[in-house]
Amino acid sequence: DQQVKQNSPSLSVQEGRISILNCDYTNSMFDYFLWYKKYPAEGPTFLISISSIKDKNEDGRFTVFLNKSAKHLSLHIVPSQPGDSAVYFCAASGTNFGNEKLTFGTGTRLTIIP
Amino acid sequence: KAGVTQTPRYLIKTRGQQVTLSCSPISGHRSVSWYQQTPGQGLQFLFEYFSETQRNKGNFPGRFSGRQFSNSRSEMNVSTLELGDSALYLCASSLGGYTDTQYFGPGTRLTVL
Repeated sequence: DQQVKQNSPSLSVQEGRISILNCDYTNSMFDYFLWYKKYPAEGPTFLISISSIKDKNEDGRFTVFLNKSAKHLSLHIVPSQPGDSAVYFCAASGTNFGNEKLTFGTGTRLTIIP
Repeated sequence: KAGVTQTPRYLIKTRGQQVTLSCSPISGHRSVSWYQQTPGQGLQFLFEYFSETQRNKGNFPGRFSGRQFSNSRSEMNVSTLELGDSALYLCASSLGGYTDTQYFGPGTRLTVL
């Protein structure tokens, strides 16, 4: 049972345009959400997070939006750069079953086209 | 500050053997979590240790076990290896509090033949 879903295995975006990565979750007990980026042969790197009490969080070129009623979050990257090419994972956790336990999606491979 | 280190980086074993993987967290971090990454499954949580105690556990069989030492270094052991255990094993460390960021190591690539 995949509680965190990233339905797009891959995405290609022109350099300078906006990249939008989507993530859906099924467990309403999740209250903290994160995005990680992963390059080949490296561990995931934390990008940005959002608590369920917010609907938006920004950090430079990265913005995460959370729609609790739809159980959906998205990561916007503006403008997209070649170095953004990587696999992006969304993850979720909840205070009721251990904040340290992250439930990950299967990832979306983002390719930025120069 | 040095990042999370994992040893070895690559490992080849045969079915039925056992294996021990090691993780050294970032200095000052008391929480170490372990994840298994396989194609199509994403990262799946194995267990988490905080101050030498297992604080949370995922849905893996008892063949997967771990421990944490007083210096916060952690080891993960897999006994009676199966072909399906071939995966990238990642550990992550954090301060251990709610919303504290987990920082990942580069992983250990285990191949079971």
